[in-house]
Amino acid sequence: EPEVTQTPSHQVTQMGQEVILRCVPISNHLYFYWYRQILGQKVEFLVSFYNNEISEKSEIFDDQFSVERPDGSNFTLKIRSTKLEDSAMYFCASIGPRTSGKLTDTQYFGPGTRLTVL
Amino acid sequence: AQSVTQLGSHVSVSEGALVLLRCNYSSSVPPYLFWYVQYPNQGLQLLLKYTTGATLVKGINGFEAEFKKSETSFHLTKPSAHMSDAAEYFCAVTSGGGGYQKVTFGIGTKLQVIP
Repeated sequence: EPEVTQTPSHQVTQMGQEVILRCVPISNHLYFYWYRQILGQKVEFLVSFYNNEISEKSEIFDDQFSVERPDGSNFTLKIRSTKLEDSAMYFCASIGPRTSGKLTDTQYFGPGTRLTVL
Repeated sequence: AQSVTQLGSHVSVSEGALVLLRCNYSSSVPPYLFWYVQYPNQGLQLLLKYTTGATLVKGINGFEAEFKKSETSFHLTKPSAHMSDAAEYFCAVTSGGGGYQKVTFGIGTKLQVIP
């Protein structure tokens, strides 16, 4: 069964450094998402992306964050200057069409990247 | 706007006992409801979902949930707990009719299974 993959599984960085988290969504999917989960807290929506542009973003997704689909397969989240409070698990998700062309009703999540900012 | 409330951040049951994890939702439009499970140091795995149709939905690993519109609830149950069920469970909602909508998660319930 197709799945969403994410790399790396764990990223350690120094405060102020830039990080790029990578995701490969399921190949025929159309909508892409990033969520994060701070340790001990709930999973929070960051941003959704469709047709090469952001369709919705949360208040968490400030100017330090950006997303990109640089080619036909990868979907990236960049944090320009990391802060201690950016330490979290970051999940990528995607959703795509059924064979009939309508969207499926379920977002498929990747395994996550654990970001640790020191 | 939509939200999810999960009652009980920690639930302990004995092996073989009934598992009941509570979830109430709020949504201004007909919701799609989901339960996800997260095992330690792993990602989110879909357990089951309700979109339309039959209100009692069955998922993987013997879990099921019932959508009760009048109670705005979507509680997760399993008749007999197994040690392997120990994990964190997240109830989630999205706006029905548009799968592209963001998912809103509850705070999660950690299930402990006591031998």
